[in-house]
Amino acid sequence: SQQGEEDPQALSIQEGENATMNCSYKTSINNLQWYRQNSGRGLVHLILIRSNEREKHSGRLRVTLDTSKKSSSLLITASRAADTASYFCAITGGTSYGKLTFGQGTILTVHP
Amino acid sequence: DAMVIQNPRYQVTQFGKPVTLSCSQTLNHNVMYWYQQKSSQAPKLLFHYYDKDFNNEADTPDNFQSRRPNTSFCFLDIRSPGLGDAAMYLCATSREWVGGANSGANVLTFGAGSRLTVL
Repeated sequence: SQQGEEDPQALSIQEGENATMNCSYKTSINNLQWYRQNSGRGLVHLILIRSNEREKHSGRLRVTLDTSKKSSSLLITASRAADTASYFCAITGGTSYGKLTFGQGTILTVHP
Repeated sequence: DAMVIQNPRYQVTQFGKPVTLSCSQTLNHNVMYWYQQKSSQAPKLLFHYYDKDFNNEADTPDNFQSRRPNTSFCFLDIRSPGLGDAAMYLCATSREWVGGANSGANVLTFGAGSRLTVL
C-alpha cells in the first residue's frame, strides 16, 4: 500500500510543549500534505510540501520531508489546548496522481 | 460563508433503505471527491470527478454510486446500506488535480461531513 503510515497513533502532551508527528510512505510522491481534523468534523488543510522541498514553515507548524527515507514530520511548537485534533498526512504521486491518499492519522491531545 | 456544504450532517437509515448524501460548493472547483471515513481510520477515496468525468476507485463497492449534475453539486447514493457502511462521508473539492502542475494551489477543501448510522 502507498498509504502513509503515521507514528505515533496517539500523542498526549501539556500546553506549551512541542508535538512531533511522523509519516512514512512507500512510493514516489509529487507532494505531501498535512491535514487536521477536529472530532466529528471535516479535514482542514495545514501545509503542503513538494517533493523537491526539504522544509516548510507556517506559523507554529514546521514540516520536513526526506524523500530518500520516504518520510515526513510535522512539528507543532508551543502547543495549545485548541491544537487537540487528529492530524493526517496525505500523499499524491505515483499511482495516486490526481488524488490524495491519507495515512491513519495521529490523535493529538493537548492538556491545559 | 461555508464553501463546501454537506447535507444532511447526520443521517440515520435502516438496513437496506437507500440513502442520498449531497454536497454543494461555492468555490467553482473542477474536482470533487467523496471519501468514506470509518471510526479512527484514514479517509478512503470512493469516487472523484473532474468536471463531469467520473473516476471510480477499483475497490469501491457497487452499492455506492455518485452523480454530479453540475459544477456545484455532487451526490453520493448508497443503494442498500449495510451495517458496514456506517461511517462519516466526506466531500471535498480542489481547483485542479492534486499533484499536477502548479500543485501548490491544489489542496482539498472539505465539507463538515455527513455521519451515516445504519440500524
